[in-house]
Amino acid sequence: AQKVTQAQTEISVVEKEDVTLDCVYETRDTTYYLFWYKQPPSGELVFLIRRNSFDEQNEISGRYSWNFQKSTSSFNFTITASQVVDSAVYFCALSEARGAGKSTFGDGTTLTVKP
Amino acid sequence: EAEVAQSPRYKITEKSQAVAFWCDPISGHATLYWYRQILGQGPELLVQFQDESVVDDSQLPKDRFSAERLKGVDSTLKIQPAELGDSAMYLCASSRLAGKNEQFFGPGTRLTVL
Repeated sequence: AQKVTQAQTEISVVEKEDVTLDCVYETRDTTYYLFWYKQPPSGELVFLIRRNSFDEQNEISGRYSWNFQKSTSSFNFTITASQVVDSAVYFCALSEARGAGKSTFGDGTTLTVKP
Repeated sequence: EAEVAQSPRYKITEKSQAVAFWCDPISGHATLYWYRQILGQGPELLVQFQDESVVDDSQLPKDRFSAERLKGVDSTLKIQPAELGDSAMYLCASSRLAGKNEQFFGPGTRLTVL
């Protein structure tokens, strides 16, 4: 069975600080997909990034960066120079590459960025 | 920009009543998901469709919940009878292919059972 753990329930930072959101996953599959989604106060989940299990290259998109380490089953998300608009709940998710492609979400990390 | 549509946005009902939620996925998306999200938790998959077929409903309480996607396009999720513990946000999402592709989420239906 798949499992995604986001140990940080809530994080609070001051604007312009860097912040890292942790994600640890469990799966027996060798091929799978990892995702990050953002859920702002308005409620609608928005896709941020996808990684497949064979691609361990880190990725940077503006102030966002992601660190995928297969050896530690982690897929961490860093926001550099955080802004108030980054305040949201962030979810890490794991999807199977076989069968129905079932997705499992973590319980999310609530990030609050204070001005 | 294409979006996933859901209605109603909010629903208040009394326990033992029937409720229904509707979802219209992004055109061309073969996979449709219904999730339940309890405050403070991540989305929990209730049912997943590939076109008009159910491919995963292992977490769907089948004694009271039902879902259909008759023509492989829009979908309806029904609860009958509703219980107090069903109060939650019900999210619909769609994707081109299950697993590999990102999911696009609708705004959700907030259900309150009194």
